Parts: sequence; structure tokens; C-alpha cells
Amino acid sequence: DIQMTQSPSSLSASVGDRVTITCRASQSIFNYLNWYRQKPGEAPQLLIYVASSLQTGVPTRFSGSGSGTDFTLTISSLQPEDFATYYCQQSYSTPLTFGGGTKVEIK
Amino acid sequence: EVHLVESGGGLVQPGGSLRLSCAAAGFTLSDHYMDWVRQAPGKGLEWVGRSTTKDARYTTEYAASVKGRFTVSRDDSKSSLYLQMNSLETEDTAVYYCARSYNWKIDYWGRGTLVTVSS
Repeated sequence: DIQMTQSPSSLSASVGDRVTITCRASQSIFNYLNWYRQKPGEAPQLLIYVASSLQTGVPTRFSGSGSGTDFTLTISSLQPEDFATYYCQQSYSTPLTFGGGTKVEIK
Repeated sequence: EVHLVESGGGLVQPGGSLRLSCAAAGFTLSDHYMDWVRQAPGKGLEWVGRSTTKDARYTTEYAASVKGRFTVSRDDSKSSLYLQMNSLETEDTAVYYCARSYNWKIDYWGRGTLVTVSS
């Protein structure tokens, strides 16, 4: 199975801050990497797919980059609704696997 | 608009069984792989299993933690996905999400249904 490791596991930030979350795969997954945001009590929401493509309807402050084993999610200017938990997920092979999550909290 | 609505969750004793359903609307179920993903209380996301399409011969795949105990099935004529869960363990306690896969991404999720395994 492909292991996905996210860092940090949590961070504190303020509205307007630039935030970067990283995700590392235990083997090359090419660009088969997705990012999700999960607000408390809600289902996850797809933000970025195949590493850098913005899902329809998702604000442009979200961007993704990387390939192979190392990937990054960047939020250019944190908004109040972005205080949530973020997950990366590889879709290269089954079993699909998720990172452990990064909780973004208000500073 | 795509909608996925799960049902069938509840309280069950260890060793018991439960069948979850997922009603799909707003798209053609037969065109899509469908996944079940779960989330234990306060924990992260865990993929449970997948149902593929007719083109992929309706094959199913499972996480090692549920293989042999859980079965994913679908009825395209009813736009429904199912998860039969047998020999339930306390570690299976979680919110179970039905999700649509499309082009290497899970693009839609239901709101989830809570399964609690406890005596």
C-alpha cells in the first residue's frame, strides 16, 4: 500500500495569511494526487485534483503543485471558511490512501 | 446537481451486521466507479471499498481491514450503491460516506451515515 504523509499535522494562522501544506507519498504516484478540505461536521470537499487542477467552483486562492512523491497545497490568502482540516489522497492505485490530515486553526 | 444520500446507519452489537444504502441522483450511476470511505470519531479518512462499472466487469475492491467482512454492490437500475457489513467490530465505528469517483478523483461525497458498534 502507498503511505501518504502530511505535514504539519496542525498549524495556526490568521485571516489573510499564506498557508502551505505538504504531502509525501511512499513511492511515485506521478501526479495522481488530490486535496480535500473538510469543515467540522461536514463531508470532505474536493479542492485540487491530479496535483494542480482546480476543481470547478473552488476559489483561485487554492493551488497545488508537485509530482512523483512530493506535493504542496497552498492557500494564498486564508479566509474564515478555510479554518478546517485538509487531506491529501493518492488515486494512483488501490487501496486509495489518505494523508493523516492538517488542521488549520485560528491564531 | 449531483446528490448522494446515505442511509441505514445505527447502533449494532459486535459481531452483528448492517446494510448501508446510498441513493444517487443527478448523474448516471452506471457511468461511474463508486467508493465507500469512512471516518472514525475524531480521526482521519479511510477508504473502505469500491464498485466499478460494467466496462470494468463490475469488479469490487476492498481495504485489507474489511476484506472478507464487507461487500460493496450496486443496482444501476435503482441508482443505488450498497455496503453490506458483517462481523462488525468496535473498530468499525465511524461515519460512512458514499462517494463518486471520476477521472482519478473523488468529486462528490454524501453527508454520511453513522455506524456505532457497541455492546
